[in-house]
Amino acid sequence: GDSVTQTEGLVTLTEGLPVMLNCTYQTAYSTFLFWYVQHLNEAPKLLLKSSTDNKRTEHQGFHATLHKSSSSFHLQKSSAQLSDSALYYCAPQYAGAKLTFGGGTRLTVRP
Amino acid sequence: GGIITQTPKFLIGQEGQKLTLKCQQNFNHDTMYWYRQDSGKGLRLIYYSITENDLQKGDLSEGYDASREKKSSFSLTVTSAQKNEMAVFLCASSAGTGGYEQYFGPGTRLTVL
Repeated sequence: GDSVTQTEGLVTLTEGLPVMLNCTYQTAYSTFLFWYVQHLNEAPKLLLKSSTDNKRTEHQGFHATLHKSSSSFHLQKSSAQLSDSALYYCAPQYAGAKLTFGGGTRLTVRP
Repeated sequence: GGIITQTPKFLIGQEGQKLTLKCQQNFNHDTMYWYRQDSGKGLRLIYYSITENDLQKGDLSEGYDASREKKSSFSLTVTSAQKNEMAVFLCASSAGTGGYEQYFGPGTRLTVL
């Protein structure tokens, strides 16, 4: 079926440490994978997207590589900043216009 | 650039009441979406419209109606508000359906008394 699993709940890190938020999806029909970020009291906005297997995609210091063999699209950053504190959503796009958003992972970065 | 406007920003209704949320976009995008955001449950698709005369149900359409009045506007109606529907409703639009970015509005926060 169509579903997506993210690192659950809350992730708390100390500034400067690496970030890894997991995302796996279950479908044979996924075409694009997206990461959206939502800062407090703001609208979600696109962070990264990919449709190419095994190609690293980067934006604003974050990167992710789509691995179709393992149905994964994990989000990483080498060094967390305080401003990275936000809610992160992984979203595969299946046939048609629909995105299926995961439950979201709240990242809190502390000094 | 463009902008998505949602009205009202805050909506307070009574249980059983019919309530309408409005969304306008000036991107000239073909596709528009309505999502519901509940804490810990992510974004769930209620309705979407691929083009001006199209309407598609999402995963959470029961209890809602939608209307694409024109290309730039997309309304959502809660047919009978329930207390467990207190949530933020987000409108989004995209230029197309294949890998296009969705741009989100600021949301309408619904409270049901």
